[in-house]
Amino acid sequence: GESVGLHLPTLSVQEGDNSIINCAYSNSASDYFIWYKQESGKGPQFIIDIRSNMDKRQGQRVTVLLNKTVKHLSLQIAATQPGDSAVYFCAETPGDNAGNMLTFGGGTRLMVKP
Amino acid sequence: NAGVTQTPKFRVLKTGQSMTLLCAQDMNHEYMYWYRQDPGMGLRLIHYSVGEGTTAKGEVPDGYNVSRLKKQNFLLGLESAAPSQTSVYFCASSFGGRGYTFGSGTRLTVV
Repeated sequence: GESVGLHLPTLSVQEGDNSIINCAYSNSASDYFIWYKQESGKGPQFIIDIRSNMDKRQGQRVTVLLNKTVKHLSLQIAATQPGDSAVYFCAETPGDNAGNMLTFGGGTRLMVKP
Repeated sequence: NAGVTQTPKFRVLKTGQSMTLLCAQDMNHEYMYWYRQDPGMGLRLIHYSVGEGTTAKGEVPDGYNVSRLKKQNFLLGLESAAPSQTSVYFCASSFGGRGYTFGSGTRLTVV
C-alpha cells in the first residue's frame, strides 16, 4: 500500500448509495487480504477478508473483490449508512512471513451525507 | 471476553523519559503485534511476537523494545522518548496470523 501522508483520499457518498473503496497492493506473494474500518479514536475493526484463491467474497452489505492480475482489491458497501463513515484500510500478508504480519495501505476516508 | 486491552490510553512524556505500554489479550492467541499510527497514515509494524518468550523486529523497530514473558501480555518499552515517537500505538493479536483483533490504542505525546 501507499502512504498518503496527512491527506487521506476521501470518498463522499449520499446515504443509501453504494460505495466502492479501492486499494492497490504491490506484493505478488500476498495471499491473505483484509479490510478494516477505523472510526475516530478507535482501533481498526475487522470487516471482511479474502484469500488469494478467491476473487470475490460477500458479507452482510459488504463485498470484497480481488484482482490478482493487476494487484487490486476493492470493498463495496451496499446502501451506505451514516454509521459507515470512517477510514477504511486494506491490509495484506504474504504467506511466507513467519508472524503473518499485516502490511497496511494508506487508508480512504468515507463520508456519508444524510 | 475483553479481547485486547491496552494501558494506558493516554500519556504525555518529556523527551528522554521512559515508559512501558502494556497489552493484554484473553483469547489465547499465539501472535501479538505492536503498531504505530501517525496522522492520516496506515499502521506500521514496530515489533511482533509469535509466541511466549519470542520477539522480532518489524518495519520501524528503532527506539523501542518489547518483551513477551507471558503468552497473554506483550509489553512495548520506550527507553528514551523522542518527539518523533509521538503517535497512536495499537496492539493486536492473532491466531496463527488470522483473525487479527486490535486494541483501542494508546495516544502518546512526547514534548
